[in-house]
Amino acid sequence: EIVMTQSPATLSVSPGERATLSCRASQSVSSNLAWYQQKPGQAPRLLIYGASTRATGIPARFSGSGSGTEFTLTISSLQSEDFAVYYCQQYNNWPPELTFGGGTKVEIK
Amino acid sequence: EVQLVQSGAEVKKPGATVKISCKVSGYTFTDYYMHWVQQAPGKGLEWMGLVDPEDGETIYAEKFQGRVTITADTSTDTAYMELSSLRSEDTAVYYCATGTTTVTGLFDYWGQGTLVTVSS
Repeated sequence: EIVMTQSPATLSVSPGERATLSCRASQSVSSNLAWYQQKPGQAPRLLIYGASTRATGIPARFSGSGSGTEFTLTISSLQSEDFAVYYCQQYNNWPPELTFGGGTKVEIK
Repeated sequence: EVQLVQSGAEVKKPGATVKISCKVSGYTFTDYYMHWVQQAPGKGLEWMGLVDPEDGETIYAEKFQGRVTITADTSTDTAYMELSSLRSEDTAVYYCATGTTTVTGLFDYWGQGTLVTVSS
């Protein structure tokens, strides 16, 4: 099973600042990596797939990079609506394996 | 507009079975897989399995194999997830989710979630 590890668990950032979130895979997932945003009481929302392609309607301040085992989600200038939990997900070993990271909570500093 | 609308919250006793529904609209139900994802309180996301509504074929995550059954009713455009032998650790929000991109294994539409509480 591919294990996805996200860091840090919590990131404290001031509005307008840049946030950098990391995701590491226990083995290569090529570029088959997605990022989701989840706000309290809501379902997750797809932000990025293919490691760097923004999903429909996602603002340009969200960007993804990386390949293989190391990935980064960058939010260039945090807006109030961006404070949430972010999950990475690999879909390289699919089917049958789809696995998520443990999440990074981005909170207001 | 694509919509996935799930059934309401459930309270079950240990050992019981729960069945949750997910009714879709806004797209052709048989065009895309329907997945189910578990989220325990304060925890992360765990993929449980999927059904291909076109032919009913299923794939389950190893963790849930033997306890989960996912089905699709094309007459009502509704997917179902049944989880048996419930235990306290199954207390969670369960989401149905589908992916309409050309890349399978992604989830770009989600239901609102169904809270299942397992308690004696």
